Amino acid sequence: GDSVTQMEGPVTLSEEAFLTINCTYTATGYPSLFWYVQYPGEGLQLLLKATKADDKGSNKGFEATYRKETTSFHLEKGSVQVSDSAVYFCALSDLPGGTSYGKLTFGQGTILTVHP
Amino acid sequence: NAGVTQTPKFRVLKTGQSMTLLCAQDMNHEYMYWYRQDPGMGLRLIHYSVGEGTTAKGEVPDGYNVSRLKKQNFLLGLESAAPSQTSVYFCASSPDRDGHEQYFGPGTRLTVT
Repeated sequence: GDSVTQMEGPVTLSEEAFLTINCTYTATGYPSLFWYVQYPGEGLQLLLKATKADDKGSNKGFEATYRKETTSFHLEKGSVQVSDSAVYFCALSDLPGGTSYGKLTFGQGTILTVHP
Repeated sequence: NAGVTQTPKFRVLKTGQSMTLLCAQDMNHEYMYWYRQDPGMGLRLIHYSVGEGTTAKGEVPDGYNVSRLKKQNFLLGLESAAPSQTSVYFCASSPDRDGHEQYFGPGTRLTVT
């Protein structure tokens, strides 16, 4: 079955540091890939997405590139802020033509803490 | 436009009690989902629905039942709560089949003692 593996956390950085959170996946076919963010006490929000190989998703200074050859979708940001402190989830969704009815498979989440 | 709302926000149950969690969305989405979130395990799908009157089992359905009598509402029931069901429950909805941009509610924190 499908699976998503994220780098183990938690990750602690100083403000303005470079961020990378690794994500690799296993799936049959050609999934869509997502990064969701969960701020303390809130539900998940879509951060960015990519629907085919070599696509780059970007939002709020975060970027991730869909790498089919390495089955990866690593999240990066050049300069983090205290307000980026949150839990980040990598996720995949099956082919549109599949029978999964849009179910998302999530990684375990990575806690990011940014200090001033 | 409230998006996805969940009630209640918090609940404490004793083992064996029953309860229903309500999810409502005002975006006219066809697809709705119930997840549970446990530390170190990400989110796991409990049940989902692809339209009014339809439901299906997800990854961890045991001990839960669901109903989708109206398109905008998706109810999650626990008939006989167990401590293993202590978790944070999230509802989500999606406008299209391949799951792009699922919209999540704020969650319900349930403790079973």
